[in-house]
Amino acid sequence: DVKVTQSSRYLVKRTGEKVFLECVQDMDHENMFWYRQDPGLGLRLIYFSYDVKMKEKGDIPEGYSVSREKKERFSLILESASTNQTSMYLCASSEPRGRMDRTGYTFGSGTRLTVV
Amino acid sequence: KQEVTQIPAALSVPEGENLVLNCSFTDSAIYNLQWFRQDPGKGLTSLLLIQSSQREQTSGRLNASLDKSSGRSTLYIAASQPGDSATYLCAVRRRQGGSEKLVFGKGTKLTVNP
Repeated sequence: DVKVTQSSRYLVKRTGEKVFLECVQDMDHENMFWYRQDPGLGLRLIYFSYDVKMKEKGDIPEGYSVSREKKERFSLILESASTNQTSMYLCASSEPRGRMDRTGYTFGSGTRLTVV
Repeated sequence: KQEVTQIPAALSVPEGENLVLNCSFTDSAIYNLQWFRQDPGKGLTSLLLIQSSQREQTSGRLNASLDKSSGRSTLYIAASQPGDSATYLCAVRRRQGGSEKLVFGKGTKLTVNP
């Protein structure tokens, strides 16, 4: 069964800490994405990557950075965590649109981050 | 700007009922449309993917239709069960500038009562 695995289900961090959220996919997908999900706001795209060492800003990149050193791994970094970054974080992967996209987007199980 | 709307926001039905969830989108220039299920505190599980050239897809008790010209999709759930209780999200994959984007609706929260 193909998977997107997020390393932590729950995290509690202190304000000002540097936080790493890790995501690994085993489907050999080129595209990887980070979203955050908040009540009433839905899913919002933070960053995405179409290739190793490539990254693009999504709709709400402020306060975040990403790293993609290997094809299967996409990390989200909160440089200095703040309470307004308390949220559910979801990682996803997909085939490039140029190929026959048979699977769509595949999401991980999410990381619930609380910043105190 | 592409917008995706899901109506109703919440739905409560008795077990065994057939039901329809609605999704509408403003821009018909989409690559495909995907329906997801989300249980509380969990990630998204893909249910059905409909390519822009297709009219419908079926998986078990689920049937999703797509009318691209009118900007509508429906998710039909037959013989609903309490285990179907979850939030259902639709999302359209579309081109945006030199890249692409998956645009989500806010979801329909379904409760199936035993």
